Amino acid sequence: EAQVTQNPRYLITVTGKKLTVTCSQNMNHEYMSWYRQDPGLGLRQIYYSMNVEVTDKGDVPEGYKVSRKEKRNFPLILESPSPNQTSLYFCASAVSGTSVWNEQFFGPGTRLTVL
Amino acid sequence: AQSVTQLGSHVSVSEGALVLLRCNYSSSVPPYLFWYVQYPNQGLQLLLKYTSAATLVKGINGFEAEFKKSETSFHLTKPSAHMSDAAEYFCAVSEWENGNKLVFGAGTILRVKS
Repeated sequence: EAQVTQNPRYLITVTGKKLTVTCSQNMNHEYMSWYRQDPGLGLRQIYYSMNVEVTDKGDVPEGYKVSRKEKRNFPLILESPSPNQTSLYFCASAVSGTSVWNEQFFGPGTRLTVL
Repeated sequence: AQSVTQLGSHVSVSEGALVLLRCNYSSSVPPYLFWYVQYPNQGLQLLLKYTSAATLVKGINGFEAEFKKSETSFHLTKPSAHMSDAAEYFCAVSEWENGNKLVFGAGTILRVKS
């Protein structure tokens, strides 16, 4: 089944404790992206990757890191989480980053709480 | 930069009534527009997309949207609401200058009353 998977689905952590949220897709998509969803703000892009070893900042990249060493994986790293990073995170992928009408496929989401 | 405004953070309709969710966009170039739906505790699912081929776009689950350039709108409609339509709906525009980036509206929560 074609899908985007994220782990963990739920995470409660404390300020400053490094964490990684994994994202994997099995559709051989070139493009991957991370969004955060906050009430009343919709989804905002954190980072995106046009292909392996190519990443770029989105609208809200502060406090986050990403890497794209393999085509299928795009982990989101929070080196020192803070309470303002409490949010619902979505990973998405698309066939290509150069075609604007490519549908983006979303993972199930990771609900992160930073105490 | 492009932007999306969804009028009404919450919309409530009776089962069988017309569903109308409003979306207005701001774009200096021909836009590529999308509607996504998010059911409780799930990720986003594409409902439909406008790519300039036709102004009236039909999507899944009986939804459709009409692109009106003069009004910079892309409102989502469904003739008859079902209980299963209760979800949050997001309108989005693709910023082609920045690859495949989607710029989302704030979302509209649809409640369907029996």
